Amino acid sequence: EDQVTQSPEALRLQEGESSSLNCSYTVSGLRGLFWYRQDPGKGPEFLFTLYSAGEEKEKERLKATLTKKESFLHITAPKPEDSATYLCAVQAPDKLSFGAGTTVTVRA
Amino acid sequence: GAVVSQHPSRVICKSGTSVKIECRSLDFQATTMFWYRQFPKQSLMLMATSNEGSKATYEQGVEKDKFLINHASLTLSTLTVTSAHPEDSSFYICSALAGGGAKNEQFFGPGTRLTVL
Repeated sequence: EDQVTQSPEALRLQEGESSSLNCSYTVSGLRGLFWYRQDPGKGPEFLFTLYSAGEEKEKERLKATLTKKESFLHITAPKPEDSATYLCAVQAPDKLSFGAGTTVTVRA
Repeated sequence: GAVVSQHPSRVICKSGTSVKIECRSLDFQATTMFWYRQFPKQSLMLMATSNEGSKATYEQGVEKDKFLINHASLTLSTLTVTSAHPEDSSFYICSALAGGGAKNEQFFGPGTRLTVL
């Protein structure tokens, strides 16, 4: 059975304090690893897709990396508007299995 | 980017009534859509996969007679919660599969908050 584990569950950061979120997974036939941002009461917003180990993608203050067993989402110099729950999901073959998410709170 | 809408965004109903939620892909065609539910402070749980022109595939433990799914066109899927009860209160989110080949990506709707009294 596909498993996706995210850590930590919650992360409180000071504005400008960089940190990383972890997503570890076990899946057969990985077709992609996805990162989403979810704000309270809203649907997930697509951030990145990673397809193979060694791949990296960046968007503003966010950078996602992928290995054969885990993915990291690095937040560099976060701002309060980066506060959200970040979800990791693996796709195999067409279904997404989600982790429980990491709730990030950035204080000014 | 690909846009998915849901309607209504919020609904309150009495126990025993049925509620229909619509999911539309606005700027692309989606042969496959997915329905999820999310309880407070929990992640998304896949309920069913909806394929245009065929019957939906339900995940284990999801009652297909209670959660009716219809995918009548390439841009519309509907979820009907029949004879709703308070335990059906949840946040329902749909997604639509975009792209083709090895790089299929899901884009999510904004969600529908269902409250059953």
